[in-house]
Order: sequence, then C-alpha cells, then structure tokens
Amino acid sequence: EAQVTQNPRYLITVTGKKLTVTCSQNMNHEYMSWYRQDPGLGLRQIYYSMNVEVTDKGDVPEGYKVSRKEKRNFPLILESPSPNQTSLYFCASRGTVAYEQYFGPGTRLTVT
Amino acid sequence: GENVEQHPSTLSVQEGDSAVIKCTYSDSASNYFPWYKQELGKRPQLIIDIRSNVGEKKDQRIAVTLNKTAKHFSLHITETQPEDSAVYFCAASLDSWGKLQFGAGTQVVVTP
Repeated sequence: EAQVTQNPRYLITVTGKKLTVTCSQNMNHEYMSWYRQDPGLGLRQIYYSMNVEVTDKGDVPEGYKVSRKEKRNFPLILESPSPNQTSLYFCASRGTVAYEQYFGPGTRLTVT
Repeated sequence: GENVEQHPSTLSVQEGDSAVIKCTYSDSASNYFPWYKQELGKRPQLIIDIRSNVGEKKDQRIAVTLNKTAKHFSLHITETQPEDSAVYFCAASLDSWGKLQFGAGTQVVVTP
C-alpha cells in the first residue's frame, strides 16, 4: 500500500530537549516536505527536499533542521524545542510524474 | 513568492444546498491548483485538482473552476451532505512537482 508514515504520532516534551520526528514514504517520490498546521494559518511549509542530499527552506524554517540521506526518509529535527513550536506537523511526498501530494498521518507536538 | 488567499474562513450550509469556496493567487506563472479535504483528526487528502490549461473540472458532486486572467479558482460542492463537513484547503503550485502554497482553509459545516 502506497503511504507516508510518521512517528511518533503524539509527543509531549519540554523546552530544550532535542527531538526527531521521522517520516518515510514507499512510493519512490523525489519530493518531500514538512508542514506545520496551526489554527487559522493553514499549512505552512517548514522545509522541503527535491531529492537525496538536496534540501531547502520553506516559509517557516526557524528552529528546525532536516536531512535527506535516503530517498524514502526525511526526518524533522528540533534541536532545542520551544513552546511556539507546539503544533500539528505533517510530512508529505510527491512524485515527478503525477501531481498529487500525499500526506502522512500527522504528529501532534506539545512543548511545555 | 506565491500567496494564496482563501474565503470564506467558515461556511455553514443546509444539507442539500451548494457550497462555494474561493481562492485567489498572486503568481501568474502558477499552473497547478489542487483542493484538499481534511476531516477532523485526519490528514489532508486530495479531492480534485485542475491545471492551468483547463477552465473547469468536475467529479460527481464537486467541481473546480479556474479563471487565469483574474487569478482565482473556486471549489463548488453541490447537494451537500453531512459527510462533506470538513476543512477544505486550496493550493497553488508553480510547476508540476514543486512547492504547494496553501490557503488558510475553510471550515465547512453541513447541517441536516
């Protein structure tokens, strides 16, 4: 089954404690991205990657890091989380032939 | 960069009536316009999309229209049903697999 997976689905952490949210897709998609969703603000892109070892900033990259060492994986790293990073995070992937973007199930992060 | 505005932010309709959501975009080079539906607690999922070489596309009770000159596109849902209640996002993309810029979303509530 074609899918995008994320882990963990829920996470409560404290300010400053480094964390990683994993994202994996099995569709051999080149393009992957991370979004955060906040009430009234829609989906804002954090980082994206157009292929292995190629990443770039989206609209709200401050406080986040990513890496793309393998085509299927695109982890999101918060080196020092702060309360304003409390949000719902979605990973997504997209191929170069079909236009549809597939989303993961989401990760709800709370930073206290 | 691309900017997408979406209206209204909330829409309440009686079951069986039609719902219309409108989006405008800023970059005339954008050529791909998808609509996503997000049910409560779920991930966004593509419901219909349109490319810039087409003015209208229909899929059962949903349709999307595109006016390139005015740089706006709309989602039309006819004969609304309670299961149409969700948040709907429009988006615009500059190329076939690049960054999707999302609107802020429309909360649609269908009352029986």
